[in-house]
Amino acid sequence: AQKITQTQPGMFVQEKEAVTLDCTYDTSDQSYGLFWYKQPSSGEMIFLIYQGSYDEQNATEGRYSLNFQKARKSANLVISASQLGDSAMYFCAMDIRDTGRRALTFGSGTRLQVQP
Amino acid sequence: TAGITQAPTSQILAAGRSMTLRCTQDMRHNAMYWYRQDLGLGLRLIHYSNTAGTTGKGEVPDGYSVSRANTDDFPLTLASAVPSQTSVYFCASSPQQGSWTEAFFGQGTRLTVV
Repeated sequence: AQKITQTQPGMFVQEKEAVTLDCTYDTSDQSYGLFWYKQPSSGEMIFLIYQGSYDEQNATEGRYSLNFQKARKSANLVISASQLGDSAMYFCAMDIRDTGRRALTFGSGTRLQVQP
Repeated sequence: TAGITQAPTSQILAAGRSMTLRCTQDMRHNAMYWYRQDLGLGLRLIHYSNTAGTTGKGEVPDGYSVSRANTDDFPLTLASAVPSQTSVYFCASSPQQGSWTEAFFGQGTRLTVV
């Protein structure tokens, strides 16, 4: 079965510094997608970035980049130049194909707090 | 653009009562999902629907049922609520076309079963 692990329940970072949020995954599939979502205190789920298993380049979206290490089965999110508005829960997720179903499997999340 | 609309936003429900959480999308996405979010557990899949007329069980389906009569609507029903169903419920949809695409989420329904 597919599984996503986020081992950092909480992280602190100083404003303007970079931070890495860890994510490891477990799947026997060769084709899969990895996603990161942000959930601010208001509760909505905001899509940040996506990486396909066959993509050779690491995904980047503005200040977000995904450090994809396929052999290690890790998909860490890097946020550069942290801002106060980055304080939120961050979820790593994987798109699976399981007996005809495609749905995101989520990790337990990391709460990031950006300090001024 | 509305995207995905969930109703109600929040609800307090007596144990043993039934309730339907509503979810409507206007993006004509094929796939829809229901997740529950509990502290420390992330989001867990309750039920899904790959296309109108079909549904399937997710990771934690017990105590919940769904239907998908058309593309836009995907209601979640609790037949007889129990306190362990206290959670935040998210409806989501995705196109499921071609390569991988992200899921789009509603704003969530906070349900408290007492």
